[in-house]
Amino acid sequence: DAKTTQPTSMDCAEGRAANLPCNHSTISGNEYVYWYRQIHSQGPQYIIHGLKNNETNEMASLIITEDRKSSTLILPHATLRDTAVYYCIPRAGQNQFYFGTGTSLTVIP
Amino acid sequence: ETGVTQSPTHLIKTRGQQVTLRCSSQSGHNTVSWYQQALGQGPQFIFQYYREEENGRGNFPPRFSGLQFPNYSSELNVNALELDDSALYLCASSLEGWGEAFFGQGTRLTVV
Repeated sequence: DAKTTQPTSMDCAEGRAANLPCNHSTISGNEYVYWYRQIHSQGPQYIIHGLKNNETNEMASLIITEDRKSSTLILPHATLRDTAVYYCIPRAGQNQFYFGTGTSLTVIP
Repeated sequence: ETGVTQSPTHLIKTRGQQVTLRCSSQSGHNTVSWYQQALGQGPQFIFQYYREEENGRGNFPPRFSGLQFPNYSSELNVNALELDDSALYLCASSLEGWGEAFFGQGTRLTVV
């Protein structure tokens, strides 16, 4: 499974877009990029996933570079409830999720 | 709410004891995975069950064992508890192991 590099922590002003980067330069062709977040002491929450096309859902947008070596999760209008640890996880098929240490996002009022 | 429920929510055990944690998967999901999350760390994969068979295991000793039942609910058993087993134990369910997995709220185990 591909290794990932994410910033340890980030701040974002409430109402602004939060852009969370992830480097996964060793990702293989059949690995999707998954994003989860974990609010303190709760179970991880699925956000979005994609293979090579950009994806959008009601929670976020996922931008994957053409070479697939990095991606960015975008929360368009961050709220205080978006304060959490965000994990970027390459995953192929039925394989388990390998969580790293993620990015701790703090949304500031 | 994901529809994945875990019990109990909190548990305190003594070193050397045995513990059983339970997970009810989301309706229709036949794959259950278990994760251990130590304080300040990301979740670590323990094992996965697919249609009642173990389908992958992480770097955990044999004293961590599991079961999946015909209704796809699952149990995690840990024997000979050690202090380092203190953690949040998470269960995740998915359909056929593909796509997104939905996590429960976890069981907080404290070993004293």
